Amino acid sequence: AQKITQTQPGMFVQEKEAVTLDCTYDTSDQSYGLFWYKQPSSGEMIFLIYQGSYDEQNATEGRYSLNFQKARKSANLVISASQLGDSAMYFCAMREGSWAAGNKLTFGGGTRVLVKP
Amino acid sequence: KAGVTQTPRYLIKTRGQQVTLSCSPISGHRSVSWYQQTPGQGLQFLFEYFSETQRNKGNFPGRFSGRQFSNSRSEMNVSTLELGDSALYLCASSTSGLAERGEQYFGPGTRLTVT
Repeated sequence: AQKITQTQPGMFVQEKEAVTLDCTYDTSDQSYGLFWYKQPSSGEMIFLIYQGSYDEQNATEGRYSLNFQKARKSANLVISASQLGDSAMYFCAMREGSWAAGNKLTFGGGTRVLVKP
Repeated sequence: KAGVTQTPRYLIKTRGQQVTLSCSPISGHRSVSWYQQTPGQGLQFLFEYFSETQRNKGNFPGRFSGRQFSNSRSEMNVSTLELGDSALYLCASSTSGLAERGEQYFGPGTRLTVT
């Protein structure tokens, strides 16, 4: 079974509107971390936001927020007020176990977002 | 702080050759991870080094190896290159400790083409 599933291969969003990128995950670990990364056409992966499995509140970082639904094993990324510079591939990733177990990330297949002016 | 640097940025090699890629982490980061990105397989974890020791290993053949030096710089080596090794190789560094989120910061990648 896929550990990280991103069901939206690509989507268009109008500039200044909000967009939600879906991510579901599968793990039997109680301790895990969920990450979202942005990859522009230049190729570099940019860290956006983190959610720990024990965090009770949804994470927010500027225009990025994470809608964490633990029982549903869902960690959707919400980008508010989209900008042209948000056009990129977005990856959801999971680290299973605590920090002591190491930093192996499992990535989803990604969602390509294109912001239209 | 300077970001993660990777050298070289581009490489063209022939089947059967070997290649060494280098990664310098963010100052103070002791964990370095390597990932392979291809259109077909996506992003896949290769291995992680922490304090000069391999802490995690992905599901890649033994032709893929790595090491980390005392200054946390890391190298990965691919021997007997195959066409399927053509990929973007990404290095990431991270702090690693109690109460750390452990987010990884990626370098620009090395694009390897095997002909």
